Amino acid sequence: GAVVSQHPSRVICKSGTSVKIECRSLDFQATTMFWYRQFPKQSLMLMATSNEGSKATYEQGVEKDKFLINHASLTLSTLTVTSAHPEDSSFYICSATEQGYEQYFGPGTRLTVT
Amino acid sequence: EDKVVQSPLSLVVHEGDTVTLNCSYEVTNFRSLLWYKQEKKAPTFLFMLTSSGIEKKSGRLSSILDKKELSSILNITATQTGDSAIYLCAAVPISSGSARQLTFGSGTQLTVLP
Repeated sequence: GAVVSQHPSRVICKSGTSVKIECRSLDFQATTMFWYRQFPKQSLMLMATSNEGSKATYEQGVEKDKFLINHASLTLSTLTVTSAHPEDSSFYICSATEQGYEQYFGPGTRLTVT
Repeated sequence: EDKVVQSPLSLVVHEGDTVTLNCSYEVTNFRSLLWYKQEKKAPTFLFMLTSSGIEKKSGRLSSILDKKELSSILNITATQTGDSAIYLCAAVPISSGSARQLTFGSGTQLTVLP
């Protein structure tokens, strides 16, 4: 079945530093990858949609300069949280789709900013 | 703006009970509804429902879509403690492009007590 991996699974960083999260589709080519954010006991909130080779489309209220997304290949998208602050602490999940309607989710990355 | 509402927000039952989770949607150009189970990490796919009135079944779980009522239910019979999780539904719109953004509901937190 379709497998999506994320790295790292857990990261702790200091306020003001940047953190990069990778999302990889392991056995299929992902034309589109999505980045979500989830706060405790809340649902997934879509942050941005990323198509290979083009600029990401950000949802309203998501700062493009703070959450840099790169989808350089059909199997890899990265999310970089720049100048992280404690309020950026959250669970970040990516998903990937080939051409179908089903999204395959990565295992998520728990970010804690101290 | 597309909207997906789930009810109840949380539910506590005992092992062996049957539960019904509800999902209603208001989505422009609706195509499908997806159900996911989320335990500690990322959501895992349960069902995709596209046609009204056709029940999908997987073990003790079943789900059905009602396009007239713009809703879906997820049934779990003979619940087990391992069914404890957040159950998310998400609506998929028809899209001319490759990106098919999901609109998630808030989720139902199910707790099954031994």
